[in-house]
Amino acid sequence: EAQVTQNPRYLITVTGKKLTVTCSQNMNHEYMSWYRQDPGLGLRQIYYSMNVEVTDKGDVPEGYKVSRKEKRNFPLILESPSPNQTSLYFCASTIGGPYTDTQYFGPGTRLTVL
Amino acid sequence: QKEVEQNSGPLSVPEGAIASLNCTYSDRGSQSFFWYRQYSGKSPELIMFIYSNGDKEDGRFTAQLNKASQYVSLLIRDSQPSDSATYLCAVTPGAGGTSYGKLTFGQGTILTVHP
Repeated sequence: EAQVTQNPRYLITVTGKKLTVTCSQNMNHEYMSWYRQDPGLGLRQIYYSMNVEVTDKGDVPEGYKVSRKEKRNFPLILESPSPNQTSLYFCASTIGGPYTDTQYFGPGTRLTVL
Repeated sequence: QKEVEQNSGPLSVPEGAIASLNCTYSDRGSQSFFWYRQYSGKSPELIMFIYSNGDKEDGRFTAQLNKASQYVSLLIRDSQPSDSATYLCAVTPGAGGTSYGKLTFGQGTILTVHP
């Protein structure tokens, strides 16, 4: 089954404790992205990746890091989480081709930073 | 000013009516436009995309694009209670209906279709 998986689905942590949210896709997609979703603000792109070792900032990259060492995986790293990073996070992937572009979203990770 | 702005909602329509969702964008370099639907507690899913001026129809859904006025809209004909969801507009500088992964979303409009 074609899918994007994220782990963990729920996470409660404390300020300053480094954490990683994993994302994996099994569709051999070139492009992957991370978004956060907050009430009234919609989805905001954090980082995206065009291929292995190629990443770029989205609209709200501050406080986040990403890496793309393998095509299927795109982890999101919070080196020193703060309460304003409490949010619902989505990973997505897309093949990126013209006329066929569809972002496939993972199930989401709900993060609470105390 | 937000880069992508959607009508604030929430929007409530009776079953069978036409629901009209609007989106404006500020970047004239935007080339392709997407509408996603998100049910409560679920992930967004693509409904359709449009990249040429005019109308694009897919079943009960019609997307309309006017690049000169920088707006894109989604019409849902014969609305059903199952259409009740949050609708997200997204734009990209990528041409030909492709995003290359770079998307900017609006804040979403909540639609409720009541029987």
